Amino acid sequence: KAGVTQTPRYLIKTRGQQVTLSCSPISGHRSVSWYQQTPGQGLQFLFEYFSETQRNKGNFPGRFSGRQFSNSRSEMNVSTLELGDSALYLCASSLMYIRAQETQYFGPGTRLLVL
Amino acid sequence: GEDVEQSLFLSVREGDSSVINCTYTDSSSTYLYWYKQEPGAGLQLLTYIFSNMDMKQDQRLTVLLNKKDKHLSLRIADTQTGDSAIYFCAETLDYKLSFGAGTTVTVRA
Repeated sequence: KAGVTQTPRYLIKTRGQQVTLSCSPISGHRSVSWYQQTPGQGLQFLFEYFSETQRNKGNFPGRFSGRQFSNSRSEMNVSTLELGDSALYLCASSLMYIRAQETQYFGPGTRLLVL
Repeated sequence: GEDVEQSLFLSVREGDSSVINCTYTDSSSTYLYWYKQEPGAGLQLLTYIFSNMDMKQDQRLTVLLNKKDKHLSLRIADTQTGDSAIYFCAETLDYKLSFGAGTTVTVRA
């Protein structure tokens, strides 16, 4: 069974631009969560989607948004990019939502550099 | 990762055992996890333990859980150069995974 895939793997953008990242979960998994990893803040929860609905959102500004499609694939969007948005963005999938104590499997991440 | 604490660095000689320690805060966490991250890569799930267990062994990996002290440890037997990586302890905190800052393990010859 294929693992979690994320595209693109690397991105370079400039301040003020917007970016869309994509995540395809493991086949049969219905929950997708997004995390931001930076050297200073570590791994921070962004949001979680289950059955096309955002179930939970972390403490990030409204510039960060996402959605999930009927095939469970998810996208996240960051508008008006800032230098501090440079990070590794990780997607994780699980069978059910995290409250069901499901194990999360992570993709390789998208490394975003904002210049 | 403010709810989970780990030591930041561990240096170990090849062939020795590595022990990575972690303390967590939420006594209601049902699952506790260990993830491994190699340079430039995502997080690889190494192992997890149910909160009603004290120990779990999986090949070279041994997880010990002390619920009273909220202490979790990962022991890697016969550490190899390929074990050099950052290891994250994580607990399920409500609707998300809460991670420690990660322990960088360096294996020296």
